[in-house]
Amino acid sequence: DSGVTQTPKHLITATGQRVTLRCSPRSGDLSVYWYQQSLDQGLQFLIQYYNGEERAKGNILERFSAQQFPDLHSELNLSSLELGDSALYFCASSGTWTSNYGYTFGSGTRLTVV
Amino acid sequence: GENVEQHPSTLSVQEGDSAVIKCTYSDSASNYFPWYKQELGKGPQLIIDIRSNVGEKKDQRIAVTLNKTAKHFSLHITETQPEDSAVYFCAASYPGANNLFFGTGTRLTVIP
Repeated sequence: DSGVTQTPKHLITATGQRVTLRCSPRSGDLSVYWYQQSLDQGLQFLIQYYNGEERAKGNILERFSAQQFPDLHSELNLSSLELGDSALYFCASSGTWTSNYGYTFGSGTRLTVV
Repeated sequence: GENVEQHPSTLSVQEGDSAVIKCTYSDSASNYFPWYKQELGKGPQLIIDIRSNVGEKKDQRIAVTLNKTAKHFSLHITETQPEDSAVYFCAASYPGANNLFFGTGTRLTVIP
């Protein structure tokens, strides 16, 4: 157990729908990062939050959004889902705003869009 | 921004042999280089990391070497075991970076 908790583990939904993925960072960590991993693909950075504020954006689609709450958990919202959004979505956390000290990943949410 | 290239994309070795995975980076300001192991259906797990003030770091059967001049770093796994089979990702980061820059991954298969 890495200490980073992601729910749900699996999600199956239809095209056009909206889903919310949840992440609780390790105790004491202030930064949350979201990554997308498509089949046999690498890790694509989506977005980072630090202590409730958006810190950096990567290749995140406009249909996707995220937020970090006062208790530091984060949610990634995916809307108007398409078949191509099927992927593993990982959350990671770190204690600082910079990635220069590495971070810890959760076990991911597998999203299947049918 | 930083660009990390990783080779090979797949690697098969016999149990007991060594495995080497190589990465290059583009930004000379990068000073932190972690390696992650991802087993099937799981999240990436940090297995070893190195900072630019060190040329080599070892942890049991795993070692990482860094050549700052050439801007490349490598993961070495000795005496490979079937449980080493996984996808390995290298990454790089520079001071002030907001995210790690990952390589494209290497699928290592250890044949019993």
